[in-house]
Amino acid sequence: DADVTQTPRNRITKTGKRIMLECSQTKGHDRMYWYRQDPGLGLRLIYYSFDVKDINKGEISDGYSVSRQAQAKFSLSLESAIPNQTALYFCATSAQGRYNEQFFGPGTRLTVL
Amino acid sequence: GDSVTQMEGPVTLSEEAFLTINCTYTATGYPSLFWYVQYPGEGLQLLLKATKADDKGSNKGFEATYRKETTSFHLEKGSVQVSDSAVYFCALSGGSGAGSYQLTFGKGTKLSVIP
Repeated sequence: DADVTQTPRNRITKTGKRIMLECSQTKGHDRMYWYRQDPGLGLRLIYYSFDVKDINKGEISDGYSVSRQAQAKFSLSLESAIPNQTALYFCATSAQGRYNEQFFGPGTRLTVL
Repeated sequence: GDSVTQMEGPVTLSEEAFLTINCTYTATGYPSLFWYVQYPGEGLQLLLKATKADDKGSNKGFEATYRKETTSFHLEKGSVQVSDSAVYFCALSGGSGAGSYQLTFGKGTKLSVIP
């Protein structure tokens, strides 16, 4: 079984709709992250959480919100989706410690029409 | 802030050719350096890492050496296979920026290996 799972894997929605992407992990890690990937831009950090009560904005948090429901669950919401949020979204986890190896989920492909 | 620059692709090689993907970084302090690989339709997987200067990370025939004097972490493989076709990302963490435990990624280099 995958250590980091994301649901849904694919989603098509319309402008203005509220969307939630979910991430669950069985690695027992405290730290969780949301990234988006766009062609030619690499991965950019949206939000990160070092524990349930510690949530931080990343490089591109505008238009997004998150919820850390439990150590193992970290959800990303688009309150009112817009077409330029069409992207591949990845959740990642890491243990505490300096060397910060991150483990990634399979991704969610989101299309906003 | 921290940044990572890697060579732009796409890179197309014949099977058994030598591979180099250049990566340089900007960070103060002592960052850790990583190469991640993304196979088609999948998430990123850690390929190798190095945590201090002159360390060599290696895995699956790939190698990269942490060169602090040139702020580089170039990825090499002596003989590529078709199965190495993927997108490769250079990344760092533990630099000087806010949230120094975050990963900062390069833009990725797509490698295609043809038989």
